[in-house]
Amino acid sequence: GAVVSQHPSRVICKSGTSVKIECRSLDFQATTMFWYRQFPKQSLMLMATSNEGSKATYEQGVEKDKFLINHASLTLSTLTVTSAHPEDSSFYICSARRDREYGYTFGSGTRLTVV
Amino acid sequence: SQKIEQNSEALNIQEGKTATLTCNYTNYSPAYLQWYRQDPGRGPVFLLLIRENEKEKRKERLKVTFDTTLKQSLFHITASQPADSATYLCALQTGANNLFFGTGTRLTVIP
Repeated sequence: GAVVSQHPSRVICKSGTSVKIECRSLDFQATTMFWYRQFPKQSLMLMATSNEGSKATYEQGVEKDKFLINHASLTLSTLTVTSAHPEDSSFYICSARRDREYGYTFGSGTRLTVV
Repeated sequence: SQKIEQNSEALNIQEGKTATLTCNYTNYSPAYLQWYRQDPGRGPVFLLLIRENEKEKRKERLKVTFDTTLKQSLFHITASQPADSATYLCALQTGANNLFFGTGTRLTVIP
């Protein structure tokens, strides 16, 4: 089956620092990956679509300079939260899809806490 | 504006009964509708996908219906078990391949 690995699972960082989150498709190639954010007791909100070899597409209201996305290979996308602030504390989840007729596979998520 | 609403934030049912969850949407034209299960602190897990031209799909104890006229999907879990307790999310996949999630229903199956 399709497996997506996400690291780290938890990270605590100081305000003003940057944090990188990795998302890997382990057994399939993903030209497109998706990054979501989820606040407590809320649903997942799509932040951006990561495209291998080209620029990411950001949803309205998401700052592209704050949430840097790099999709350098067919199996790896990274999300870097730059100059993190406490309001960036959230649960970040990536996903990818193996093929059109199958659902999306999600990573296990990263709990980011900015102190 | 675009909305995806799951009408119950929480649903409690007795073990062995059928759980029925509802997903309604407005101002979307989904190519696919999907259902996911999410446990606390984990990413969603894919359950079922149904195309816009399909009315019903089944997988083991799960059944999904899709009515594009009503703009509604129903998700059924038959013979429910305590292990089915989780949050269930419906998601719409548009032609752009983006996936947009509903608000979720937290299901609790009582032994």
